[in-house]
Amino acid sequence: RKEVEQDPGPFNVPEGATVAFNCTYSNSASQSFFWYRQDCRKEPKLLMSVYSSGNEDGRFTAQLNRASQYISLLIRDSKLSDSATYLCVAGMDSSYKLIFGSGTRLLVRP
Amino acid sequence: DAGVTQSPTHLIKTRGQQVTLRCSPKSGHDTVSWYQQALGQGPQFIFQYYEEEERQRGNFPDRFSGHQFPNYSSELNVNALLLGDSALYLCASRNRDRGNSPLHFGNGTRLTVT
Repeated sequence: RKEVEQDPGPFNVPEGATVAFNCTYSNSASQSFFWYRQDCRKEPKLLMSVYSSGNEDGRFTAQLNRASQYISLLIRDSKLSDSATYLCVAGMDSSYKLIFGSGTRLLVRP
Repeated sequence: DAGVTQSPTHLIKTRGQQVTLRCSPKSGHDTVSWYQQALGQGPQFIFQYYEEEERQRGNFPDRFSGHQFPNYSSELNVNALLLGDSALYLCASRNRDRGNSPLHFGNGTRLTVT
């Protein structure tokens, strides 16, 4: 079993749609959580950190459920420019070794 | 303010050869981590350096080694290259004194082993 698991997709949605990605992590000692975005053949870029209380950044909302070891990302009003791979990430400890999921691919069509 | 820079951007090597990849961290960052990303996979942690020492290591063989210099820049060395070492190699940096601050990634070096 992978330490961080995601549905690989692709999710193919029309512009303006709301789409949700889910992710589970296996190590209950994980302390920090993030969503990164990766465009084709580019480096991952931080989209947002994920906090226990849930957090929102514009059209993006992230939530963490520690009891279920589950992380989610909600994208509202999808834009063509949101097309990318979204990587779910768990940080294991203060040494900051990050464990990445394999990514969920999103395609937003006109 | 320069971000994380890596060189070279692309590299083609033959099986059995050795390769050195280089990374300069973002200004103000003292910790460098290296990741390997195979096609269709998420990045896999190789190791992390700070204070010029390897502090944590992922599940990679000893063929993978590294170094950090006093100016915080870092090198990743891979010996006896295998076809399976073909991947995007990512360097990431952060400042250890800033708690759980996120990693900043460089553009990566795309290594092809033939």
